[in-house]
Amino acid sequence: DTGVSQDPRHKITKRGQNVTFRCDPISEHNRLYWYRQTLGQGPEFLTYFQNEAQLEKSRLLSDRFSAERPKGSFSTLEIQRTEQGDSAMYLCASSLGRTGDLNTGELFFGEGSRLTVL
Amino acid sequence: AQSVSQHNHHVILSEAASLELGCNYSYGGTVNLFWYVQYPGQHLQLLLKYFSGDPLVKGIKGFEAEFIKSKFSFNLRKPSVQWSDTAEYFCAVNQYGNKLVFGAGTILRVKS
Repeated sequence: DTGVSQDPRHKITKRGQNVTFRCDPISEHNRLYWYRQTLGQGPEFLTYFQNEAQLEKSRLLSDRFSAERPKGSFSTLEIQRTEQGDSAMYLCASSLGRTGDLNTGELFFGEGSRLTVL
Repeated sequence: AQSVSQHNHHVILSEAASLELGCNYSYGGTVNLFWYVQYPGQHLQLLLKYFSGDPLVKGIKGFEAEFIKSKFSFNLRKPSVQWSDTAEYFCAVNQYGNKLVFGAGTILRVKS
């Protein structure tokens, strides 16, 4: 499968624990995005990378959240001291170019990592 | 900041019925608009997109959408739905060329 893959698919943790999610984008894609989706809502933008540079972070991304994309390949999203409000589906997407580019801006999504904080 | 409103959260239709899902966005400048679909148990995937030109855009699986600039709308349509169209549909707008802003989604259930 050459699509976007995310790991783990499900994570159950206790409040206060740290969790880390990994995303492997489509190999030639320069841009990588993290979104969060809660029940009844659409995906909400968290952050995005162009290669290894993190170019934008949403105000949703508190200081307990950190994302990295070393070497411009896979990315990790870490949540420290989890809270019940962090329970959500965390989606990763990648694209070849900017979302504003007609031919290369399509976002390809992974199946997501579902986090449950008890 | 841009926002996207989808008017219907749940829609139930019988097979062969016509579908129209509403989407309005708040932004007065040049926009790129998208519809994504998520079938049960699958990842989000692009259904169609509008960048410029003909405001009636055709996508995969017989779906189309019409961009009406004066109404800030980008409604999704299909003349005759099938059971396999059961899914959640998301409208999205491109913000500054760097990311997509999504609506809350519409869950479509097609009864066979």
